[in-house]
Amino acid sequence: EVQLVESGGGLVQPGGSLRLSCVVSGLTFNNYWMHWVRQAPGKGLVWVSGIDTAGSSTRYADSVKGRFTISRDNAKNTLYLQLNSLRAEDTAVYYCANYGSGRPYWGQGTLVAVSS
Amino acid sequence: DIVMTQSPDSLAVSLGERATIDCKSSQSVLHSSNNTNRLAWYQQKPGQPPKLLIYWASTRESGVPDRFSGSGSGTDFTLTISSLQAEDVAVYYCQQYYTDPLTFGGGTKVEIK
Repeated sequence: EVQLVESGGGLVQPGGSLRLSCVVSGLTFNNYWMHWVRQAPGKGLVWVSGIDTAGSSTRYADSVKGRFTISRDNAKNTLYLQLNSLRAEDTAVYYCANYGSGRPYWGQGTLVAVSS
Repeated sequence: DIVMTQSPDSLAVSLGERATIDCKSSQSVLHSSNNTNRLAWYQQKPGQPPKLLIYWASTRESGVPDRFSGSGSGTDFTLTISSLQAEDVAVYYCQQYYTDPLTFGGGTKVEIK
């Protein structure tokens, strides 16, 4: 059974930082691109970032470029998202996702709330 | 970027009736190497993560009732609920995973008439 389990969310002040993690099991992690998707309260789904199998190629949405960093540790089957310079508009549930086999897999999400 | 346009924004259907949601992509999401459309449909209920219903445009996820079906190819896709049940009240999203950035439709809210 494929499982993606996110963690690391929480309440943080504007300008603060958080690191999200996503532990993946049940698939060959280092074979696939991985992605982060977020959903602000009451809003739709938005892709945030993606990373290639080796971690050498990364992509970002314009809204987070220069503030967020995606990375992965293939030895630990873990995906990361470092969130810096957080803003109120970054408040959202963050999901990790995989599409490599053609069948999407998503985690349950972790909530990031940015507020003073 | 591929723009995904869903219609309608909301839909009210009587119990047992058919619900149809359309999704149009600004360019083809057909993967020529294996002739699959990189298009998924999700159902989301309040307070829950999105639930995968359909992938490859028409492959129903395991455990999803067969009243849900997906069709279409290239740029035009449809999600059909053949006989709406009370538990189908939700927001439905289409998504292309053909290329980065992955993009989603704006969502369609389905309610009971």
